[in-house]
Amino acid sequence: QSVLTQPPSVSGAPGQRVTISCTGSSSNIGGGYDVHWYQQFPGTAPKLLIYGNRNRPSGVPDRFSGSKSGTSASLAITGLQAEDEADYYCQSYDSRSSGSEVFGGGTKLTVL
Amino acid sequence: QVQLQESGPGLVKPSQTLSLTCTVSGGSISSGDYFWSWIRQQPGKGLEWIGYIYYSGRTYDNPSLKSRVTLSVDTSKNQFSLKLSSVTAADTAVYYCARADYSSSSSRHDDWGQGTLVTVSS
Repeated sequence: QSVLTQPPSVSGAPGQRVTISCTGSSSNIGGGYDVHWYQQFPGTAPKLLIYGNRNRPSGVPDRFSGSKSGTSASLAITGLQAEDEADYYCQSYDSRSSGSEVFGGGTKLTVL
Repeated sequence: QVQLQESGPGLVKPSQTLSLTCTVSGGSISSGDYFWSWIRQQPGKGLEWIGYIYYSGRTYDNPSLKSRVTLSVDTSKNQFSLKLSSVTAADTAVYYCARADYSSSSSRHDDWGQGTLVTVSS
């Protein structure tokens, strides 16, 4: 059971907009800790997609955007493309116990 | 952008210690601007943060791993290492090393190694 909760799967047709949620609590996202998002293709390492809730590293298309409100964060992908089919993970910090970086369980995006 | 490369045995026996090293190139571990992380992914599962180390040797690790983790750094070789003791089949995973930028309230992992599969089996 991950500290950050993501839907196991989402899907959308090419050109559509999809969102992936990441729900936490007052000890992580709700406590003001930043959320980062990663994209992972099968057999490869994750790649940083969004950092600091809403910032894109150089080279990431502006079709990808992030937001955060309260104890949740979201990743939105507009103009869905077949190449976006991948697993997506959110990550934040949890202050319980002695503190720990924590990941969501991951969401599989299927482009129909 | 730095390059990170994991190395170590791909097969470890139950109850033994898993040992991995990450070699960093294209940047210095001693720059002081980053933590150096270990993250793992069990087959078909999500990502799990194991811990990170600063170039000074200060470490932070995941409490859920119950003190089985030892992290170390060798700045002369630009490497950092992971030891995980008393392994079981549940420790079978792809192990990634990554660079963690701690400039925000949670560390973002902006560069990753390719990952190495470690299997725990007799």
